[in-house]
Amino acid sequence: GNSVTQMEGPVTLSEEAFLTINCTYTATGYPSLFWYVQYPGEGLQLLLKATKADDKGSNKGFEATYRKETTSFHLEKGSVQVSDSAVYFCALSLGNNRLAFGKGNQVVVIP
Amino acid sequence: DTAVSQTPKYLVTQMGNDKSIKCEQNLGHDTMYWYKQDSKKFLKIMFSYNNKELIINETVPNRFSPKSPDKAHLNLHINSLELGDSAVYFCASSQDLAGGAYNEQFFGPGTRLTVL
Repeated sequence: GNSVTQMEGPVTLSEEAFLTINCTYTATGYPSLFWYVQYPGEGLQLLLKATKADDKGSNKGFEATYRKETTSFHLEKGSVQVSDSAVYFCALSLGNNRLAFGKGNQVVVIP
Repeated sequence: DTAVSQTPKYLVTQMGNDKSIKCEQNLGHDTMYWYKQDSKKFLKIMFSYNNKELIINETVPNRFSPKSPDKAHLNLHINSLELGDSAVYFCASSQDLAGGAYNEQFFGPGTRLTVL
């Protein structure tokens, strides 16, 4: 089946630190890949996406590269801010408007 | 101004009651969804409607019944509420593209349901 796996547990880091959240996927076809962000008390927002291998999605200083050889789509940001504290979800779609989400990672940035 | 809106934002009710959550989108999208997010933040799709027709119905108890009076609205009615129904429910919408290509889903702010 199609699924997304994110690294376990919350991520706590200091302001201006480097952030990486790992995401790997299993899919029977050629999925599009996404990162969604959920700020406290809000719904999910699309952060970035990539639709084919080697594509790099980027937004708000965040980046993720679609790696077909490692079936990964890791999220990175070079210097986080307190305002980046949120829950981050990796997701995949096979083009039928159906998204499969990972379990999400809580990111807490400490001043 | 709000693209996808839900009411109510919070809902506290007793076991056994029947309740409804309403969702409206003003984006002109063809497809609407209901998701359930549990206490561990795990997000799972429940239903999807395209132009008022049900297209996705995951393994959800039949106590949950979605209703789409028009393509801008997708309401969720829940009968005989149980403790395990406590969660945050998100409505979302997207524009249906030809060929089934993915398009961004826009989420509402969520409805936190607490069953006592």
